[in-house]
Amino acid sequence: EDQVTQSPEALRLQEGESSSLNCSYTVSGLRGLFWYRQDPGKGPEFLFTLYSAGEEKEKERLKATLTKKESFLHITAPKPEDSATYLCAVQAGGSSNTGKLIFGQGTTLQVKP
Amino acid sequence: DAGVTQSPTHLIKTRGQQVTLRCSPISGHKSVSWYQQVLGQGPQFIFQYYEKEERGRGNFPDRFSARQFPNYSSELNVNALLLGDSALYLCASSGGTGDYGYTFGSGTRLTVV
Repeated sequence: EDQVTQSPEALRLQEGESSSLNCSYTVSGLRGLFWYRQDPGKGPEFLFTLYSAGEEKEKERLKATLTKKESFLHITAPKPEDSATYLCAVQAGGSSNTGKLIFGQGTTLQVKP
Repeated sequence: DAGVTQSPTHLIKTRGQQVTLRCSPISGHKSVSWYQQVLGQGPQFIFQYYEKEERGRGNFPDRFSARQFPNYSSELNVNALLLGDSALYLCASSGGTGDYGYTFGSGTRLTVV
């Protein structure tokens, strides 16, 4: 069964304290791995799509990497405005025509000034 | 350029009632997906529609139904509401099957009392 597990569930950092969020997945033929940011009461905001092992993408203080079993979202020198829930989702090869994304439960990040 | 718009933003219904949620995709996008997000969890896939046809269905009871109109907007209907249907309902639009740009709306917060 296709599955996504994110860790930790919650993470508290001091401003400037770098860290990483983990997304482990099992899927029959990865079509794409997605990272989203979600603020309370809002819809998920797209960050990155990764397609194959070894791929990396960066955006401001965020860098996403992908292996065959997991993805990491590295946050460098975070600021309080980076506080949010970060969601990881995968699309299986067989689901490419259904639009189905399988989400993890998310990691809630709090960055204190 | 308008993003994905959903209405209403908030809704309170009584057990046993029926509800209709609406979504307008990004201009030019032909595909709409619906997700349910219970508090503290990741979104769960309900349906995808492409060119007015159902392309995917998640593990939800027949009380949930949807349709897509010629202008690509979509409605999600839920009959015989249960307390457990209380959640944030999210709509995502994309350019078509196999496209990886899934953009989410801000969602409709449904509370069943």
